Amino acid sequence: GAVVSQHPSRVICKSGTSVKIECRSLDFQATTMFWYRQFPKQSLMLMATSNEGSKATYEQGVEKDKFLINHASLTLSTLTVTSAHPEDSSFYICSARGNSGSYNEQFFGPGTRLTVL
Amino acid sequence: GQSLEQPSEVTAVEGAIVQINCTYQTSGFYGLSWYQQHDGGAPTFLSYNGLDGLEETGRFSSFLSRSDSYGYLLLQELQMKDSASYFCALSGYQKVTFGIGTKLQVIP
Repeated sequence: GAVVSQHPSRVICKSGTSVKIECRSLDFQATTMFWYRQFPKQSLMLMATSNEGSKATYEQGVEKDKFLINHASLTLSTLTVTSAHPEDSSFYICSARGNSGSYNEQFFGPGTRLTVL
Repeated sequence: GQSLEQPSEVTAVEGAIVQINCTYQTSGFYGLSWYQQHDGGAPTFLSYNGLDGLEETGRFSSFLSRSDSYGYLLLQELQMKDSASYFCALSGYQKVTFGIGTKLQVIP
């Protein structure tokens, strides 16, 4: 299957700082990328959907000014958690879907574990 | 909106067969997907049903009945490495909505 990478895999930051997470599709062009958040022992909650070159669509309850998403190219999307607080500590996972094949499969990155002190 | 229900935990014996059920509510979707996630890892795609019926992929099979708003994942010849969380998910045009996940524990 297609490969999606995320960087960093783990980050610890102080409260009030901003953290940027990168999601890259390595061997295909990702027309759509998704950002999920997963708290321990819970399901993946979709935060936003981004299409290359357009503004992200945020799910209800997700603050777009706090979670900045940029999908500047067909292989890269970034999520920036601004003014992070301890309650933002979570496992952030991106996934990507290409412009070929079916809509049924998303390729997930390995995730980024964010800890805000 | 969309919602899915699946059991929170299932325990099965190595070598046996286990079925994980998923019921859902939605106003429309393309199909039902299944994902596997090991602790600390990212989800990996297992199977997809766009049409009613059974889809088989090796030891894993998945079933969908749109009229019953119901699907299941069947795992055969269970192995210890199958211990993981399994999520059913509704695939729509722009997004996938995940269920809460079923934690499968395979015991010797």
